[in-house]
Amino acid sequence: DQQVKQNSPSLSVQEGRISILNCDYTNSMFDYFLWYKKYPAEGPTFLISISSIKDKNEDGRFTVFLNKSAKHLSLHIVPSQPGDSAVYFCAASGREAGTYKYIFGTGTRLKVLA
Amino acid sequence: GAGVSQSPSNKVTEKGKDVELRCDPISGHTALYWYRQRLGQGLEFLIYFQGNSAPDKSGLPSDRFSAERTGESVSTLTIQRTQQEDSAVYLCASSLWGAGPDTQYFGPGTRLTVL
Repeated sequence: DQQVKQNSPSLSVQEGRISILNCDYTNSMFDYFLWYKKYPAEGPTFLISISSIKDKNEDGRFTVFLNKSAKHLSLHIVPSQPGDSAVYFCAASGREAGTYKYIFGTGTRLKVLA
Repeated sequence: GAGVSQSPSNKVTEKGKDVELRCDPISGHTALYWYRQRLGQGLEFLIYFQGNSAPDKSGLPSDRFSAERTGESVSTLTIQRTQQEDSAVYLCASSLWGAGPDTQYFGPGTRLTVL
């Protein structure tokens, strides 16, 4: 059973417009959420995170929104640039059975068109 | 400073052979994680180390998979009697303390191909 879901496997956006990537989770024990970006043949690189006590975190062109009641988070990229084209993974983390767990979604491939 | 490194970057092996994958985490990072990414799939958790002990091995898919970590640094993931379904990119990540909200930093991965 997928605890973290990214329902859109791919997304295409025009350069300069907003990219919105979505992520849903099921387990209310998650208290820290992260977004990673992955280019081909490279490992994922950390992008931005948010704690469950906040509903928004912003870093330059990247903003993450958290809606705890809906168990939903989203990553907004504005303005989108061709270099943003990559696979984006969301991850949810929290304590379960004595250890701190990280669960990753299946990723969304973003393509920014020039 | 240096990031997480993994070796080899690519490994091609024959079905039935054993392979060993290596991960060097960021110096000072207590926690170390192994993940697997099959073609077109997401990141699948395998095992987590806190220091030299592994409090969570729940993701190891079978007893052919094992991992160890020595000296709170380098870790090796061993796959015995490899099968074709083991073909994937194996990713290692480390984080500062791992016992709570933390950021994982990933290595470039080892692409394993089992013929």
